Amino acid sequence: GENVEQHPSTLSVQEGDSAVIKCTYSDSASNYFPWYKQELGKRPQLIIDIRSNVGEKKDQRIAVTLNKTAKHFSLHITETQPEDSAVYFCAASIGGNNRLAFGKGNQVVVIP
Amino acid sequence: GAVVSQHPSRVICKSGTSVKIECRSLDFQATTMFWYRQFPKQSLMLMATSNEGSKATYEQGVEKDKFLINHASLTLSTLTVTSAHPEDSSFYICSARATSLLNEQFFGPGTRLTVL
Repeated sequence: GENVEQHPSTLSVQEGDSAVIKCTYSDSASNYFPWYKQELGKRPQLIIDIRSNVGEKKDQRIAVTLNKTAKHFSLHITETQPEDSAVYFCAASIGGNNRLAFGKGNQVVVIP
Repeated sequence: GAVVSQHPSRVICKSGTSVKIECRSLDFQATTMFWYRQFPKQSLMLMATSNEGSKATYEQGVEKDKFLINHASLTLSTLTVTSAHPEDSSFYICSARATSLLNEQFFGPGTRLTVL
C-alpha cells in the first residue's frame, strides 16, 4: 500500500515545550520524507526533509528522525513558539516517479 | 529561489462552466508538476502528475476527462476543471519539482474554487 499515517491529529503544547509528531509509512521503497507546515489558507511550506540514507537531520529548533526498519519518522520541534502553531504534514515518496503521499496532518497549537 | 505561482487565487463560477488554473515555476525549470486538491481541514490529495511534453498520470478515482492537465513548457502547467459542479469546489494546489533539486516539491499558493 501507499499509506502514510500521522499521529496525533491534534497537539497542544505550552510555549517553550517540545512537540513531537510521528508518522509511519508502508512502502519500503520510499526514500524521501519531507515535512510541510501549512497555515490556514496558505500553501504548504517545506520545513525539513530527510532521505533514507541518514537517520537524523537538524535545522535549528527543528529535527527529523527516520527509522527505516520500523518504517517511521518523526518531527521534533523544541522551544516552541506561538508562530509554530499550524498544521504539519508528513509525506513519503512513492512510486517510480517519486510522487508524495501525505499524512492526514497534525494541528499543533502552542499556548502562550 | 524555488518560487511557484498559481493563478487565479480565487475563482467563483456557475455550475456547468469550465475553469482553468495556471501553475508556474518562476525561477527554475519544472520537469514535473503535481496537482492536488484539499478540502477544509483535510490533507492534500494528489490528483495527477504532470510531466513536460507528455500526458499526465492520474491517480485512481480522478477523472482525466473532467480534470484536463497540460504541461506545455518547463515552467507552466494548467489544470482545467470542465463542466464544474458544486462538489468540485475545493482548494486546488500545484507543486513543482526540478531534477536538479532532487525530490523537493515546492507548492503554489493555491486556488480557491467555488462552484455555484
